[in-house]
Amino acid sequence: EIVLTQSPGTLSLSPGERATLSCRASQSVSSSDLAWYQQKPGQAPRLLIYGASSRATGIPDRFSGSGSGTDFTLTISRLEPEDFAVYYCQQFGGSSWTFGQGTKVEIK
Amino acid sequence: EVQLVESGGGLVRPGGSLRLSCAASGFTFSHYSMIWVRQAPGKGPEWVSYTSSGSSSIYYADSVKGRFTISRDNARNSLYLQMNSLRAEDTAVYHCARIAYGLVHFDYWGQGTLVTVSS
Repeated sequence: EIVLTQSPGTLSLSPGERATLSCRASQSVSSSDLAWYQQKPGQAPRLLIYGASSRATGIPDRFSGSGSGTDFTLTISRLEPEDFAVYYCQQFGGSSWTFGQGTKVEIK
Repeated sequence: EVQLVESGGGLVRPGGSLRLSCAASGFTFSHYSMIWVRQAPGKGPEWVSYTSSGSSSIYYADSVKGRFTISRDNARNSLYLQMNSLRAEDTAVYHCARIAYGLVHFDYWGQGTLVTVSS
């Protein structure tokens, strides 16, 4: 099973700052099988990025994804108040899915 | 508008059973693969079980294999999860989610139903 490790665990930033979230896989992941989700308290996760770099429908262009192989990144160019949440990366492989443990982006 | 609404959660004793349902609307349910994902309190999501659009391919996470059964009724636009031999570690919010057509990510999620396994 591929393990996804996200870093940092918590990111303390101010609105307007840039957020860079990392997701590292224990073995190579196809870019087409890597996604990012946002989750706010009491809500279901929401798809942000799929195929490592494609934004889902309705997702603002301040969100971008990049990376390949074992290293993937989610970047939020300028944090808006509604972006403070937990972010998860996810991969598919071998008829199973795994999620990272999450990065919490909190207001500094 | 795509909607997924789960029901059937509740409090159950260890060793007990529960059947979850997911009512889908706003899209052609029979065209999409579906999945159950759970989230224990304070933890990240964990996939539980997958079914292809016509139920020809079904997968289970190792943690639930042999205890849980996924099924669907395309005529009723519904997805189900039969959970037997429940354990305390099965306590979680259970979400159903739609798998994007021809892809592997989850493009729509339901709000979830809470399953608590406790004596």
